[in-house]
Amino acid sequence: EAEVAQSPRYKITEKSQAVAFWCDPISGHATLYWYRQILGQGPELLVQFQDESVVDDSQLPKDRFSAERLKGVDSTLKIQPAELGDSAMYLCASSFPGGHTEAFFGQGTRLTVV
Amino acid sequence: DAKTTQPPSMDCAEGRAANLPCNHSTISGNEYVYWYRQIHSQGPQYIIHGLKNNETNEMASLIITEDRKSSTLILPHATLRDTAVYYCIVNSGGSNYKLTFGKGTLLTVNP
Repeated sequence: EAEVAQSPRYKITEKSQAVAFWCDPISGHATLYWYRQILGQGPELLVQFQDESVVDDSQLPKDRFSAERLKGVDSTLKIQPAELGDSAMYLCASSFPGGHTEAFFGQGTRLTVV
Repeated sequence: DAKTTQPPSMDCAEGRAANLPCNHSTISGNEYVYWYRQIHSQGPQYIIHGLKNNETNEMASLIITEDRKSSTLILPHATLRDTAVYYCIVNSGGSNYKLTFGKGTLLTVNP
């Protein structure tokens, strides 16, 4: 069964350092999402792509976070510089565009900033 | 998208039906009800969605009230592996399709 691949699964970084997460969506899924999940809360949407274009980044802290999906396939989320409050699970999901369709989530990257 | 209200936690005995309620009193006519669940340390998993008719698939049944202001997710024979946080989400789809998660309901299935 096709899966959304994310790497790394776990990342420990020192505050003020740069960190990057990678996501490979299910083949054919034009829509890609990055979510952040703080312990005890539901996932919060950071950015949504349609192919290579950003369609929603209203909740992305743009002073330190950036996301790209250059060829409309895999995607990278970067944090620079990392802060203690960025410690969370970062989830990637993908789906077919539009309509009412299910989103498939990856296993996530657990980030700890020390 | 309309806001949803769910109880923070519920318990269910293994083998019994688990009925998870969701209130979405401000839902509009073109908004669907989605259910996802998240098992500990994993990404969320789609369960089911519907507009106004009851829906059933291999995982669960979704019962939406006639006025569409609330719904119930039914797991007919809960197992220990169904222990998870269950999220009820209302979404209008189309170009605005995005999933806005609340805190969900932690369902604990007990032996």
